Amino acid sequence: SAVISQKPSRDICQRGTSLTIQCQVDSQVTMMFWYRQQPGQSLTLIATANQGSEATYESGFVIDKFPISRPNLTFSTLTVSNMSPEDSSIYLCSVEASGSYEQYFGPGTRLTVT
Amino acid sequence: QKEVEQDPGPLSVPEGAIVSLNCTYSNSAFQYFMWYRQYSRKGPELLMYTYSSGNKEDGRFTAQVDKSSKYISLFIRDSQPSDSATYLCATKSGGSYIPTFGRGTSLIVHP
Repeated sequence: SAVISQKPSRDICQRGTSLTIQCQVDSQVTMMFWYRQQPGQSLTLIATANQGSEATYESGFVIDKFPISRPNLTFSTLTVSNMSPEDSSIYLCSVEASGSYEQYFGPGTRLTVT
Repeated sequence: QKEVEQDPGPLSVPEGAIVSLNCTYSNSAFQYFMWYRQYSRKGPELLMYTYSSGNKEDGRFTAQVDKSSKYISLFIRDSQPSDSATYLCATKSGGSYIPTFGRGTSLIVHP
């Protein structure tokens, strides 16, 4: 398994500002993922982040809006840029445990944009 | 048609009941099947992980996969109020790192 922490756990931000969410894993992992989960909805993948390469974004998500860093095998950040109320959501970091197909999630960051 | 369909519920049962949670999927390439439990204001927690068809049991939980009908189930025996959560099914093919998730079913176990 993998233990994942995220900071901040929640935040309330003003429209037009940016927020950077940090994800820390207790072991080295190759694959890290960022998801968004809106109330009553399932998980939507934003991007996949591998260490040493550019993140791969899913349809509907772009790097200018959601820049991602992956400086090493245990850490990643997701920035939500130029926020609008539509960005209010839970943002989840996830990893695929090394040597396993099992995927684990962090506790999430609850973002409210006013 | 969504790739993974899951009734959002809520499903309300009395304590001690046997709970059956279900998903259907459309992609025959899916080989890995997962169930996650998500408590309110928490991240999803991996509950069960199975490969291909068959049953897998872990304590009060049994995961069942029927690839012929593209149907996956999670059974919870002797349900407890602490089982109240949203349960998400997920599947993926062997060539993909990325699972496809259902919407989740909200389960309420009342004392």
